[in-house]
Amino acid sequence: EADIYQTPRYLVIGTGKKITLECSQTMGHDKMYWYQQDPGMELHLIHYSYGVNSTEKGDLSSESTVSRIRTEHFPLTLESARPSHTSQYLCASSETKLRAESVFGQGTRLTVV
Amino acid sequence: AQTVTQSQPEMSVQEAETVTLSCTYDTSESDYYLFWYKQPPSRQMILVIRQEAYKQQNATENRFSVNFQKAAKSFSLKISDSQLGDAAMYFCAYRSAHSGNTPLVFGKGTRLSVIA
Repeated sequence: EADIYQTPRYLVIGTGKKITLECSQTMGHDKMYWYQQDPGMELHLIHYSYGVNSTEKGDLSSESTVSRIRTEHFPLTLESARPSHTSQYLCASSETKLRAESVFGQGTRLTVV
Repeated sequence: AQTVTQSQPEMSVQEAETVTLSCTYDTSESDYYLFWYKQPPSRQMILVIRQEAYKQQNATENRFSVNFQKAAKSFSLKISDSQLGDAAMYFCAYRSAHSGNTPLVFGKGTRLSVIA
């Protein structure tokens, strides 16, 4: 079944550690997105990609980085985690067609202690 | 830049009743797409309904329907016969039809509670 997968679902990590949040989709979607969801549930776009070797920064300034080496894979990396990075991170993908909806993963809840 | 406003941070409805969630947007474009997404507690966000701006007819999906008022830039979601499973965060979103590389613009969301 075509879907979008995020791992891990939950992560507790110490300050200063390097972490990578994984996101993979099996739908062949060219477009992929990372959102940070704050405690009030508002969504903030932090990175997006329109295809292999394409990455763009979103509206919210973020200390994270992303890569898009394969169509199906869009990992997000934090080089040095801080308590301010504690949040829910949502990955999404969509077809190129403008009317296409975004399909979301189940999210990664990150806690930095 | 386009903006999406959901003026109701929280709403509640009695089971089996009808509720309407509000959404307004600001754009100078004439062609675009509008979406409502649902995010149940601790679960995946899913698409509820989609509306193309060039279509005058309001979209419907079973118990979910929209009231799309293009001149007023309003896109409300009506949920009929509310069920306990409708309790969730609801997000309104906008996408321009003029650029192939435009991410969705989301509103801040409305938390819907359903009272048994």
